[in-house]
Amino acid sequence: ETGVTQTPRHLVMGMTNKKSLKCEQHLGHNAMYWYKQSAKKPLELMFVYNFKEQTENNSVPSRFSPECPNSSHLFLHLHTLQPEDSALYLCASSQDLLAANIQYFGAGTRLSVL
Amino acid sequence: SQQGEEDPQALSIQEGENATMNCSYKTSINNLQWYRQNSGRGLVHLILIRSNEREKHSGRLRVTLDTSKKSSSLLITASRAADTASYFCATDGSNDYKLSFGAGTTVTVRA
Repeated sequence: ETGVTQTPRHLVMGMTNKKSLKCEQHLGHNAMYWYKQSAKKPLELMFVYNFKEQTENNSVPSRFSPECPNSSHLFLHLHTLQPEDSALYLCASSQDLLAANIQYFGAGTRLSVL
Repeated sequence: SQQGEEDPQALSIQEGENATMNCSYKTSINNLQWYRQNSGRGLVHLILIRSNEREKHSGRLRVTLDTSKKSSSLLITASRAADTASYFCATDGSNDYKLSFGAGTTVTVRA
């Protein structure tokens, strides 16, 4: 148990659906992240939030919409996704955005877009 | 953009043997970290080595860093079946907190 919980663990959706991924951390951290992990590829950083404010949007398509209502919760709202968006979506948190930040990851949501 | 690159991509060893994997990176770093990922799970932090350190140990793990060659190695001694996982290096740069991950080395430990 890393202290970062993601739900759901698995999600299958059609291209016209709207769904949301949820992440919650119980570590008292101030920074939270969304990553996309595709097979045989490095982790791709999508979004970063620090004290609820977005500090990074790594050129992510608008069909992915993040929301951070407080420092403990992070959502990723999905709509009109494409099959190539199928991947493992990982949430992570860290104490802050200083260098040498150790990140704590959730178990991920395995997303399949049909 | 990808900074770290692990080598080899995959490694299969017998239980009890040592496993060594390498990470190369392109630009100056502040720190280098190693993470482990079990199949279908999130990443777990293993060890962090700072740019002014050359070697670090944690239990059965030994990490080296050679900044002149822009490379690091992770050694797992006396491997166990539970060490079967993918291992990733991650670097953060001089003016950038963001971690840049490689594509990982998949290690299989045979019983």
